Amino acid sequence: EAQVTQNPRYLITVTGKKLTVTCSQNMNHEYMSWYRQDPGLGLRQIYYSMNVEVTDKGDVPEGYKVSRKEKRNFPLILESPSPNQTSLYFCASSLGSGNTIYFGEGSWLTVV
Amino acid sequence: AQSVTQLGSHVSVSEGALVLLRCNYSSSVPPYLFWYVQYPNQGLQLLLKYTTGATLVKGINGFEAEFKKSETSFHLTKPSAHMSDAAEYFCAVRRATGSARQLTFGSGTQLTVLP
Repeated sequence: EAQVTQNPRYLITVTGKKLTVTCSQNMNHEYMSWYRQDPGLGLRQIYYSMNVEVTDKGDVPEGYKVSRKEKRNFPLILESPSPNQTSLYFCASSLGSGNTIYFGEGSWLTVV
Repeated sequence: AQSVTQLGSHVSVSEGALVLLRCNYSSSVPPYLFWYVQYPNQGLQLLLKYTTGATLVKGINGFEAEFKKSETSFHLTKPSAHMSDAAEYFCAVRRATGSARQLTFGSGTQLTVLP
């Protein structure tokens, strides 16, 4: 079954404590990206990757890092989380620019 | 740069009534256009997409949308609303050519279906 899997799905953490949200896809997709969803703002792209070792900033990259060492994985790293990073995060992947984008189920992150 | 505007953050319709969710986009290159639906506590599911060809596209659950280049619009419609259509709907645009950016989303429209 085609899947984008994110972990953890729910996390409460404290300001400044580094955390990583993992994302894995089993469809051999080249494109992967991270979005955050906030009320009234829709989904905003954080980072995207067009292939292994190729990443670039989206609309709201500040405070986040990513890496793409393998095609299937695209972890999102918050080196020093702050309360304004409390949000719902989605990982997504697609084969190409016109192809369907598959979303993970989302990760609820609360930073206190 | 590309952008998406969804008119109306909340739309209410009666069950059986027409659903019309509005989406206007701006893009400097030919766009790909998408509608996604998000049910409570779930991820996003693709409803339909326009890439090339026929400008009226049909999607799942009886939804359809028409790409109107002259109006830079991609409105989503359904002839008869069902209670199960209550959800948040997102319009999105993507570059059709070149590399770089993926989807740019609108801010979403929450659809309420009244009995």
